[in-house]
Amino acid sequence: GAGVSQSPSNKVTEKGKDVELRCDPISGHTALYWYRQSLGQGLEFLIYFQGNSAPDKSGLPSDRFSAERTGGSVSTLTIQRTQQEDSAVYLCASSLGTRQPQHFGDGTRLSIL
Amino acid sequence: TQLLEQSPQFLSIQEGENLTVYCNSSSVFSSLQWYRQEPGEGPVLLVTVVTGGEVKKLKRLTFQFGDARKDSSLHITAAQPGDTGLYLCAEYPSGTYKYIFGTGTRLKVLA
Repeated sequence: GAGVSQSPSNKVTEKGKDVELRCDPISGHTALYWYRQSLGQGLEFLIYFQGNSAPDKSGLPSDRFSAERTGGSVSTLTIQRTQQEDSAVYLCASSLGTRQPQHFGDGTRLSIL
Repeated sequence: TQLLEQSPQFLSIQEGENLTVYCNSSSVFSSLQWYRQEPGEGPVLLVTVVTGGEVKKLKRLTFQFGDARKDSSLHITAAQPGDTGLYLCAEYPSGTYKYIFGTGTRLKVLA
């Protein structure tokens, strides 16, 4: 499809394990965002990539969280040594550029046991 | 830190009723977006409003931007079960590259 694709759609893991979440943005979209959404809540900004510029990591909640975007396309969000409070839906969005409408994927629902 | 407050948090109404939900900012918006999110899916953009006093209509949905650009409302006429979802407002503060989202209004329309 032509939309933003995220995988896996669901992930259940034990506390202390590392997880990697993937986002395939819409082709040609230079901006990519990661958000976290706790149950029934709004979206919490995590990180922003724009082209080849240095990413804005100001929303990452701790140094256990990291993200990269390879070749200006696919992005991975990695959470090391997961904690129960990391349980949430992780959403990825892409846009044509800064301040352009965002297109969201359906998210990865992460559950930490 | 700029904050977006949405009200009400929850709303449950019968099919056919009208409703209004609100989004208020602690400071002036540069632009504001409204999204709807259905369970298990990502938010979908409904509209972007930019100009103070601006009104936009999308079928049964009417979006209004306050004159002072610090508030916005979404009015739904004759609500239908398909309108059920989480309604989020979001703004893009001047000088930043990241969106701020409100906490949302969860709407349930009963058949």
